[in-house]
Order: sequence, then C-alpha cells, then structure tokens
Amino acid sequence: QKEVEQDPGPLSVPEGAIVSLNCTYSNSAFQYFMWYRQYSRKGPELLMYTYSSGNKEDGRFTAQVDKSSKYISLFIRDSQPSDSATYLCAMTRRGGKLIFGQGTELSVKP
Amino acid sequence: EAGVTQFPSHSVIEKGQTVTLRCDPISGHDNLYWYRRVMGKEIKFLLHFVKESKQDESGMPNNRFLAERTGGTYSTLKVQPAELEDSGVYFCASSPRDHYEQYFGPGTRLTVT
Repeated sequence: QKEVEQDPGPLSVPEGAIVSLNCTYSNSAFQYFMWYRQYSRKGPELLMYTYSSGNKEDGRFTAQVDKSSKYISLFIRDSQPSDSATYLCAMTRRGGKLIFGQGTELSVKP
Repeated sequence: EAGVTQFPSHSVIEKGQTVTLRCDPISGHDNLYWYRRVMGKEIKFLLHFVKESKQDESGMPNNRFLAERTGGTYSTLKVQPAELEDSGVYFCASSPRDHYEQYFGPGTRLTVT
C-alpha cells in the first residue's frame, strides 16, 4: 500500500467551476503538507504549504488538512484554463524527504 | 532571485554509459534534495544534503548512483553504468535551513537506450 494515495484523474471541468483535489495518507506522523502544480515538461511549482490540521487560503486556492481522517484537499475557485496542469500533493514528517501522491491531471475547458 | 537550475535538460545515453546531472540550488539554501520520477509512477525521493553532508540517502536505488555536493553549493548526480530502468525525470529541490517547503528545478529528462 502506498503511503499517499491520489486519484490520477484525468479531471475535466468547465471554466469557472470549483475544483476539489484530494489525497489520503496512511502515516500519522506526517505534519507538513504541500500542494504543487506541474505544467507539462516543467518542474513542480509550490502552490500551498500547510502545517498540521486546518485551512489555508491564498487567492483562489484553499488547502485543507484533516489529520484525524488522514485526508487533505485543495480547492480551486473560479477555475481558469491556465489552471490546467497536474496537481501533486506531498507531505513530510519533520522536513527532509517529501512523499508524493501520483498527481491529478486537471483540464479546465473554456 | 534565480530559482533552482538543472543541467542538462535532456540526456540520451546508451546502456552502460555514464551520465552526470548537475543541480544549482537557490542561493543560500542549505538543504538540497534529489528526486526521480519514472514513467507512470509518483515522484520518489533519492537523497538529501545539508550543506555538503549527506543527511539521508535512503532513496538511492543502488551503488551505480553517486551524489556529491562539494563546498555545499551545487550538486552532481552520477549514474555509472546506466541501465534501462534508470530512465526518467530527475528533479532537484532546495530549501532554506529549518524550512520544510521545497522549491524544485525544471528537471533533467534521462533516456537510457
């Protein structure tokens, strides 16, 4: 069983939709949670970074962490075609190596 | 501020040959990481440097892989001899001391034929 599970999609939504991306994990020791966005043939770009449980908002993006359920989410409001990319969740215990999900491919149609 | 840079962007080599990948982290970042993504799989950790010291090399697949970070600045990852299963995208990331968010480079796409 993988430590981090993420539905690879692909996920296709119309422009303006609310997008929900999710990951589940098995290791309760994870404390730091990150979401990366990766465009084709580019490196992962850090979007959101959260410590422990709770919500964090940055513009159209909201990250949620529920440690009791071992479940993290990324919400994108008013999605745009430029949001089309692969979204990766990643997590770590106390720094050091990141454990990644497989990534969800998102397509936002105009 | 310049981001993490990696060279080359793409390398095609034959099985048995040697390849050296280079990573230049963000200036001042003590932590440097190497990751790899093989086709259809998730990004996986290879190695973590703190300055010039190897903090964690638990992800290195075998002794054909050698990573160095002389002087605590740039790092190299050498694969010798390369095998077909080494094909993939190799990413480098860096972070400041005592910070857990990591900033990635564009990756080196390695193809072993």
